[in-house]
Amino acid sequence: QVQLQESGPGLVKPSETLSLTCTVSGASVNSGSHYWSWIRQPPGKGLEWIGSIYYSGSTSYNPSLKSRVTISIDTSKNQFSLKLNSVTAADTAVYYCSRVGIISMIVRAFDIWGHGTMVTVSA
Amino acid sequence: QSALTQPASVSGSPGQSITISCTGTSGDVGGYNFVSWYQQHPGKAPRLMIYEVSNRPSGVSSRFSGSKSGSTASLTISGLQAEDEADYYCTSYTVSTTVIFGGGTKVTVL
Repeated sequence: QVQLQESGPGLVKPSETLSLTCTVSGASVNSGSHYWSWIRQPPGKGLEWIGSIYYSGSTSYNPSLKSRVTISIDTSKNQFSLKLNSVTAADTAVYYCSRVGIISMIVRAFDIWGHGTMVTVSA
Repeated sequence: QSALTQPASVSGSPGQSITISCTGTSGDVGGYNFVSWYQQHPGKAPRLMIYEVSNRPSGVSSRFSGSKSGSTASLTISGLQAEDEADYYCTSYTVSTTVIFGGGTKVTVL
């Protein structure tokens, strides 16, 4: 049974860097059949794709966040991580990590999701 | 990139069928058969319901079906049940090799 678990600080100060890690169990992030993604959801609002990473380290980011986002992968720990810098209150959201099924390097669907972790940006 | 367009809310009585639309462009929904749909109950993580326009993952009820015409994809829920009350989101792969979500639709069972 594949499970994903987000971890990281629940409170980040404005202008600082938000850092989260997703630990994968029951599957390997080395899979050539999946991307690994971050998605967020501000309180009371819809879902927003942040970006995805392949086991090789290749990444794709949401253009609206690209200048502030870095997603990395650690195959030895079976984890992938998110860093979002220069955060503001608008970055307050539930952050989800997800496994992404792919075919010919195209995103098919986000098939497994973590439970999500709430991150609040506040002084 | 602008979000895919979904109606804010759709409602129906138990047993009825409802359809949620998801409108994009030729650069996303219209150009690829990589549209998926997610169900989200309050306080829970989203759950994949439909992938590649019309395919159901194992464990998803056959009451859920998907289709696409041009740049508009649709999710139909047949035999509406109280447990179907939730938010639903569509998503699509895009020509820019990114992913875009719809704004979400709240389904209410009357």
